[in-house]
Amino acid sequence: DTVLTQSPALAVSPGERVTISCRASESVSTLMHWYQQKPGQQPKLLIYLASHLESGVPARFSGSGSGTDFTLTIDPVEADDTATYYCQQSWNDLTFGSGTKLEIK
Amino acid sequence: QVQLKESGPGLVQPSQTLSLTCTVSGLSLTSNSVSWIRQPPGKGLEWMGVIWSNGGTDYNSAIKSRLSISRDTSKSQVFLKMNSLQTEDTAMYFCARTGVYYGLFRYWGQGVMVTVSS
Repeated sequence: DTVLTQSPALAVSPGERVTISCRASESVSTLMHWYQQKPGQQPKLLIYLASHLESGVPARFSGSGSGTDFTLTIDPVEADDTATYYCQQSWNDLTFGSGTKLEIK
Repeated sequence: QVQLKESGPGLVQPSQTLSLTCTVSGLSLTSNSVSWIRQPPGKGLEWMGVIWSNGGTDYNSAIKSRLSISRDTSKSQVFLKMNSLQTEDTAMYFCARTGVYYGLFRYWGQGVMVTVSS
């Protein structure tokens, strides 16, 4: 199985730029997607195919990467971005990363 | 608009079988695929399996032996059955529309909480 590794948590101040990383155990090409999950809610698709912004998602969110290394960037961060962010690959079956909890100071 | 809604028992006894239903609207199951995804309390997301638009299925290898996903296209319903439940199967269970070409989850249900306990 393809394992996706994310850092567990980050804390930033409003207005800053934050990058959330996801590393795959093998190449997934650009079949990487990012989700935002707030407490008590279902996940929400933010970025698909590594860099494509989902309709209705603010342009503050962007994604990049290919192969094994991927990044979700939020710039600038707002208080409402407090959430856990998951990467998900669809190159080899379907697997999620363990999630990065983002705290806004 | 596209909607998915999970339903099922909130409490299941250990060793018993879990049965969940995902009722969809705004899309046809003959041209759309649906996955089940679960999330234990305070933990991450685990993809469980998918029923593709052609009726074929794929399962997470870790739980494949216990899991079955089926559907009733006339009722727009997708079913999950998982046997031999243990306490570690306690989780929120989501169904989500699964993109055929890119395997992404654009539409999700709100989830149903299942507790495995005697």
